[in-house]
Parts: sequence; C-alpha cells; structure tokens
Amino acid sequence: EAEVAQSPRYKITEKSQAVAFWCDPISGHATLYWYRQILGQGPELLVQFQDESVVDDSQLPKDRFSAERLKGVDSTLKIQPAELGDSAMYLCASSSQETQYFGPGTRLLVL
Amino acid sequence: QKEVEQNSGPLSVPEGAIASLNCTYSDRGSQSFFWYRQYSGKSPELIMSIYSNGDKEDGRFTAQLNKASQYVSLLIRDSQPSDSATYLCAVNQRGGGNKLTFGTGTQLKVEL
Repeated sequence: EAEVAQSPRYKITEKSQAVAFWCDPISGHATLYWYRQILGQGPELLVQFQDESVVDDSQLPKDRFSAERLKGVDSTLKIQPAELGDSAMYLCASSSQETQYFGPGTRLLVL
Repeated sequence: QKEVEQNSGPLSVPEGAIASLNCTYSDRGSQSFFWYRQYSGKSPELIMSIYSNGDKEDGRFTAQLNKASQYVSLLIRDSQPSDSATYLCAVNQRGGGNKLTFGTGTQLKVEL
C-alpha cells in the first residue's frame, strides 16, 4: 500500500539553528500539506501545495519558515532560526481528492 | 467558539462496550467530515469519512452526521484495548480548498 514518506523521523536541534524536513507524497497525489501538531492539540495547517504552487500558506510564520515543492512531487519544509516554541510534530499529508493521508511525521525538539 | 470542538476526555469504557465520540463544528456550510485515530507518538490514521446526513458503517465503526445540528459522531462497537488512542475529528470547511480543520481530539481508554 502506498504511503507518505517523511524524514527524518526525529530531530533534536538547538535554538537559532536551521532545520529541514522532507516529504514524499503518495505517487500521483497532486496536493501536499504540511501540518504542525503541538502536544495535546490537533494538527494545524502550515502550507498547502497544489502541484508546485502554494494554495494556502496563511498560517506559515514566514519570517522563519519556508516550504517548497519545486517539481510538484516531494517537498521540503525549513525553519531558520529554530525557536523553543517550534518543538512539535511536523506532519506531511497528501491527497488526490478530499481524503488526506498522513506520513509518519517528524518529531522536532528544540533545546 | 472553536471551529471544531471535541471533549478532550479521557473517555473510559470497558472492553466490549460501545464507545461514543462526539464532535461539533461551527461552519454550517462544511461539506466533508473525517475521523482519524492517533496512537501516542504516531501520526493520524484515517478511520472514516462521511459526507451525507445519516449513518455510515465500516466494521465496528459507525460515523453519524447531522448537518442541521452541526454534529458528527463516531461509534466504536465491541471496544478493544487496541482502540485506546486519541480520535481526531476533522472538517473540510466550505470554500476551504480542501483544508482540514481539526478538533483537539478525544482520548479513549478501553479498560480490561
């Protein structure tokens, strides 16, 4: 069964450092999403891509976060500089229609 | 008012009982509704989707939707310890470009 791939699975970094996460969606899924989930809360959308174009990045803190999906397939989410409050699970999801399927996530700890 | 509301729990039920998880949403124009299960430290896993008023059954799971009351629920029959997890309600709001808004989740504990 096709799955969304993410790496790394865990990342520990110090504040003010740069960090990057990678996502490979299910083959053929045109829409890709990055969510952030803080412990005890539901996932919150950071950015949504349709192919290589950004559809919604209204909740992305653009002073420190950036996301790209250059060829409309895999995607990278970057944080620079990382802050203590960025510690969370970063989830990637993809969809071909309405149903979104999540990858395993990257758990980020900022020290 | 939160856009998608769930009781955080924990909801404790004995093994074999029916677990009832509830969710309300604020946008009356919402079109699609999803239930995800999330084990501790893992990512959300799709359980059910529902789009029309009424009930939708899949094995031990039944999703119920009442758009007039802006209410969606998930029933789990014959609850098993392996059902112990957090259940997230997600709503695809009108005009949202397939953006899902999640509730905070309800923690379910199935006790032996």
